[in-house]
Formats: sequence, structure tokens, C-alpha cells
Amino acid sequence: DVKVTQSSRYLVKRTGEKVFLECVQDMDHENMFWYRQDPGLGLRLIYFSYDVKMKEKGDIPEGYSVSREKKERFSLILESASTNQTSMYLCASSHLRQAKNIQYFGAGTRLSVL
Amino acid sequence: SQQGEEDPQALSIQEGENATMNCSYKTSINNLQWYRQNSGRGLVHLILIRSNEREKHSGRLRVTLDTSKKSSSLLITASRAADTASYFCASNSGYSTLTFGKGTMLLVSP
Repeated sequence: DVKVTQSSRYLVKRTGEKVFLECVQDMDHENMFWYRQDPGLGLRLIYFSYDVKMKEKGDIPEGYSVSREKKERFSLILESASTNQTSMYLCASSHLRQAKNIQYFGAGTRLSVL
Repeated sequence: SQQGEEDPQALSIQEGENATMNCSYKTSINNLQWYRQNSGRGLVHLILIRSNEREKHSGRLRVTLDTSKKSSSLLITASRAADTASYFCASNSGYSTLTFGKGTMLLVSP
């Protein structure tokens, strides 16, 4: 079974802090994704990566950056956390060449910025 | 971008009843997928229907697809309390990303 592991289930940070959210997958997937999920807004794509050191902006990249130094790891970085970044963050991965394009999700990180 | 829309936003039924959720999307697709999310957890893939299919079954799940109307429906038959979750559709247009809807919250009461 595919396993996508997010390093923290809950995080509490202060405004202005630099925050790292880590995601690791064990299925050798090329694609990795970061979403945020807010009530009434569904899932919104922040960034995705289709290869090591490659990244593409999603729908809401402002205030975020990402890092993909190894194929299995995709990090989301909040350079200076703000209260409007309080949200549920979901990481996912998928196989680049699989036509079905099924995504596998981690359990999520609920981030609170105070 | 968020193009998919699920209908209804919330659904409350009794155990044993059927639950039907609908989804609309805006662009042409390769396939349409449904995911489930238990409260506070990640999404789990349930079922996929290809653009050239009209109906697909998996256990108590039945999915239909109408590409002319750009819509899909998910039917859960004989619902159980354990089916309580949010359900999302996701359209795959052939790129690496999926476009997710906003979800339907299903509550199944014992």
C-alpha cells in the first residue's frame, strides 16, 4: 500500500515564524502536491512537483514556497506565518505516467497560527 | 482551480437508506474520481470512472457519468453509520493535477 506520511498532525505557531511542513511518500511517485483545505472552500492546490528540484505553482502559492531535494520528500514552507494561513494542509502523491492519475493523501497537518 | 461542485453540500440520512451525491465539472476529462474523507483525516480514493464509461460499480458504490452534461453522481446503497464522511469528486483532464469539488458532508444516523 502507498503510504504518504506528514510529519505532524497538529502544529501551533506564532505570527512571523518560519514553518516547515514535511511530507514523505514511499511509492517512488514522481508527482507530489500540497493542498490547503478550508471550510466551504474545498481543496485548493498550493504547489506541486513532478520531479526532484522541480516545482509548479498551484492556485494559491502566495505566502508559500516548497522544496523537493529528494524524490520521496516534499516540503511546504511558510516563510513568515500569518493568521490567515491557519488551515488544514494535505500532502498527496501520484505516479506521473499512470493514466488514471489517482492521488494518495497523507493524514493532514492542522496548523494554527496565533 | 476549483471547478467541481458537489450537490448537496450536506446530506443527512438514516442507516439503510441510499445516499446520492452529484458533481459537476467544467472541462473535458479523461476520468472522474470520487474520494472520501473522514473527519480530520486525509482523502482516500474510492472509485474512478473513465470518460468513455457511463456507469461503474464497486461494492455498495455506484458511479454514473454524463459527459454531455459534465456531471457525475455517486450512489451509496444501504448506508451505514461508518459511511459518515465527506465525499469529493475530482476531475482529471489529462494533466498531473486534479480539480476537486468542495465536497458533500454525509451524516448517516443509526
